[in-house]
Amino acid sequence: NAGVTQTPKFRVLKTGQSMTLLCAQDMNHEYMYWYRQDPGMGLRLIHYSVGEGTTAKGEVPDGYNVSRLKKQNFLLGLESAAPSQTSVYFCASSYRRFSRASYEQYFGPGTRLTVT
Amino acid sequence: DAKTTQPTSMDCAEGRAANLPCNHSTISGNEYVYWYRQIHSQGPQYIIHGLKNNETNEMASLIITEDRKSSTLILPHATLRDTAVYYCIVRVTNFGNEKLTFGTGTRLTIIP
Repeated sequence: NAGVTQTPKFRVLKTGQSMTLLCAQDMNHEYMYWYRQDPGMGLRLIHYSVGEGTTAKGEVPDGYNVSRLKKQNFLLGLESAAPSQTSVYFCASSYRRFSRASYEQYFGPGTRLTVT
Repeated sequence: DAKTTQPTSMDCAEGRAANLPCNHSTISGNEYVYWYRQIHSQGPQYIIHGLKNNETNEMASLIITEDRKSSTLILPHATLRDTAVYYCIVRVTNFGNEKLTFGTGTRLTIIP
């Protein structure tokens, strides 16, 4: 199993450009998450999904959109990138356990995004 | 979700037990304590979780005080590969409340 993979690993954008970050998991997990991590800070949840075709806002959703068209993929979009979105983005997934998310989340290796 | 307080940094000698404290004085009865770690710039890794009983797995032990207001993560024989930022997280595991709220954690350095 590859676990959770993220594409791309690095990206540099100019202000106003758009891009999509791809997260894929091969563990058949129901739940998927997008976090961002800024220097010296913990991770903050951007959006998450509790199943195919569903998404929900997290702690810092502004400026981002997400889609979960397939169970194994969770896409994070930036429509008009801003320097404040320079960050490391982590995707995670977890399985359903007794109608709830499992205790552990499995994280991908991260995407380093710089917006100039 | 209850807020947690952890020391900013700690050192531990290689081969010794590393004891990482966490304060969660406002924890409620149905909130679990989770520990994750982040090695260098990798994605966080789940370590262990517990509700009120002490827990042990192949990675670590979790000791939760009887009043549940604090806990300690124990790495019994620390190695250099255990150098990481360790996050203590408290949350309710309910459907619809799936998120983990990460603070700034404790930066643990294992010294040879």
